Amino acid sequence: GEDVEQSLFLSVREGDSSVINCTYTDSSSTYLYWYKQEPGAGLQLLTYIFSNMDMKQDQRLTVLLNKKDKHLSLRIADTQTGDSAIYFCAETGLRTDKLIFGTGTRLQVFP
Amino acid sequence: EAEVAQSPRYKITEKSQAVAFWCDPISGHATLYWYRQILGQGPELLVQFQDESVVDDSQLPKDRFSAERLKGVDSTLKIQPAELGDSAMYLCASSLDMGDSQETQYFGPGTRLLVL
Repeated sequence: GEDVEQSLFLSVREGDSSVINCTYTDSSSTYLYWYKQEPGAGLQLLTYIFSNMDMKQDQRLTVLLNKKDKHLSLRIADTQTGDSAIYFCAETGLRTDKLIFGTGTRLQVFP
Repeated sequence: EAEVAQSPRYKITEKSQAVAFWCDPISGHATLYWYRQILGQGPELLVQFQDESVVDDSQLPKDRFSAERLKGVDSTLKIQPAELGDSAMYLCASSLDMGDSQETQYFGPGTRLLVL
């Protein structure tokens, strides 16, 4: 079945870049997403990438997709304390909009 | 900016009691989702509606959980009786249409349930 895995924790200094990684198993994944969840809140869509792309950039966010290795990453440039949150990657398969989420990576930004 | 509304934000109940959560999707969104997020995990889909019809409830524990979206707009998720293991965040999301995996799902703030 589908499985999405992430490392649990990442700590970075303010101003540095953060890289959050994700691996997935479903080779039919069509869209891959990054969501942000602040404490006690719902999920906020940050960005998504279509499976036929290998990179997408949106301001401070860069998404890299290695479809051969089923590896997705999210790079946050110039990380700020407001970026501290849990980041989830998620995928949808072919002809379905059901989201399969990873376990989430807690990003902590320290001054 | 349009948002998904959920209530209550927090609910504390005793096991064996009944609880209900309400969700109002973004206006015009045909598809509505209920997810459960256990602490330390990612959300998992419980049930998906297209208008008033259930299209996926394969992960809904139907012996105790029920969901409805009678008029195809707002939705209620009920648990009866609640068990300790039901303690979690219940998230509602909506999207414009179904079947196109590119449709963005917008999430509400969630209802955090604690069963004692």
